[in-house]
Amino acid sequence: IAGITQAPTSQILAAGRRMTLRCTQDMRHNAMYWYRQDLGLGLRLIHYSNTAGTTGKGEVPDGYSVSRANTDDFPLTLASAVPSQTSVYFCASSLGQGATDTQYFGPGTRLTVL
Amino acid sequence: GQNIDQPTEMTATEGAIVQINCTYQTSGFNGLFWYQQHAGEAPTFLSYNVLDGLEEKGRFSSFLSRSKGYSYLLLKELQMKDSASYLCAVRDGDYKLSFGAGTTVTVRA
Repeated sequence: IAGITQAPTSQILAAGRRMTLRCTQDMRHNAMYWYRQDLGLGLRLIHYSNTAGTTGKGEVPDGYSVSRANTDDFPLTLASAVPSQTSVYFCASSLGQGATDTQYFGPGTRLTVL
Repeated sequence: GQNIDQPTEMTATEGAIVQINCTYQTSGFNGLFWYQQHAGEAPTFLSYNVLDGLEEKGRFSSFLSRSKGYSYLLLKELQMKDSASYLCAVRDGDYKLSFGAGTTVTVRA
């Protein structure tokens, strides 16, 4: 089934722990993105990748890192989680990053940091 | 930074029409998107405007005025399943997508 999958669906994490959120797409999209969604703030871009092997910083990159070893996978790592990273995390992908390229979203990961 | 404003909440009756406004100020402009997001789910794409005017897709229409930095999403013949958040997003000059905080629409019987 074509689309984007994310894992885990939800997670409760102790502060200071390391955590990797997984994202995989099978649409052969070149560009991938990580957003966080917080009440009243909307979706904010954390990191992005325009193509395999390249990554870039979004609006709120601090405390997060990403890698893009291949086209399909785009994991997001929290090296040492803090309570302010409690959020819903969405991965998205698009064929390219041109004006008409639509971003499609995964189902999200709900993360709680205590 | 980018500034995208939309109302927080709107309520309408089943069968009615609702218009969700979005105003934006961004560094460059490469298109405006509307997404629908049901509670606890992922955003799903509704419409895209890059030129001025109205784009119609069934019960949903989206309008853009680039000179005014303004768009609206029109939902006609409202159904209960249309109760959701509607997100306005602008692609800026660097081709990054910036989102408004979303408008929660509640459809009442």
